[in-house]
Amino acid sequence: RKEVEQDPGPFNVPEGATVAFNCTYSNSASQSFFWYRQDCRKEPKLLMSVYSSGNEDGRFTAQLNRASQYISLLIRDSKLSDSATYLCVVNSGSNYQLIWGAGTKLIIKP
Amino acid sequence: SAVISQKPSRDICQRGTSLTIQCQVDSQVTMMFWYRQQPGQSLTLIATANQGSEATYESGFVIDKFPISRPNLTFSTLTVSNMSPEDSSIYLCSVDWTGTNYGYTFGSGTRLTVV
Repeated sequence: RKEVEQDPGPFNVPEGATVAFNCTYSNSASQSFFWYRQDCRKEPKLLMSVYSSGNEDGRFTAQLNRASQYISLLIRDSKLSDSATYLCVVNSGSNYQLIWGAGTKLIIKP
Repeated sequence: SAVISQKPSRDICQRGTSLTIQCQVDSQVTMMFWYRQQPGQSLTLIATANQGSEATYESGFVIDKFPISRPNLTFSTLTVSNMSPEDSSIYLCSVDWTGTNYGYTFGSGTRLTVV
């Protein structure tokens, strides 16, 4: 079993729709959780951290379920510019060691 | 957040040669991280570079193949030695600019092709 698992997609979604990604992690000792965005041929960029209470940033909502060891990302009113690969990232339980999911590719269509 | 300048952005190299990748950060950071991203895959940590000490390598990566320098708190290099086509990949440096594990910034990456 991979330490961090994501549906690779691609998710083909019409503009304006709501899309949700899930990610599961295997290390119950993990403390930090993130969603990164990576555009084609670009470096990953931090989209948002994920907190236990859930957090929202504009059209983006992240949720953490520690009991089930999964993280979700919800994108509302999707835009063409949201097309990218979304990477789920979890710390390994020790400082500075991040484990990266393989990413979910999202394609927003007009 | 920190700004990282990574060079070169891409290169095509002959097998058996070596390539050194440089990363310059606009602020002092304790740790710098070197990743590899193979086509269609996610990031794999190669090593963590601390200033003033030897880098810490992850399983599957060795110093002879990927020597790292960290001469000061703003600069690091990764060398890919004795290259083979299997080394063709994107190499990325990264720093945790928050120092709290809550914000990682990446260089723009080096796209390496070994022929």
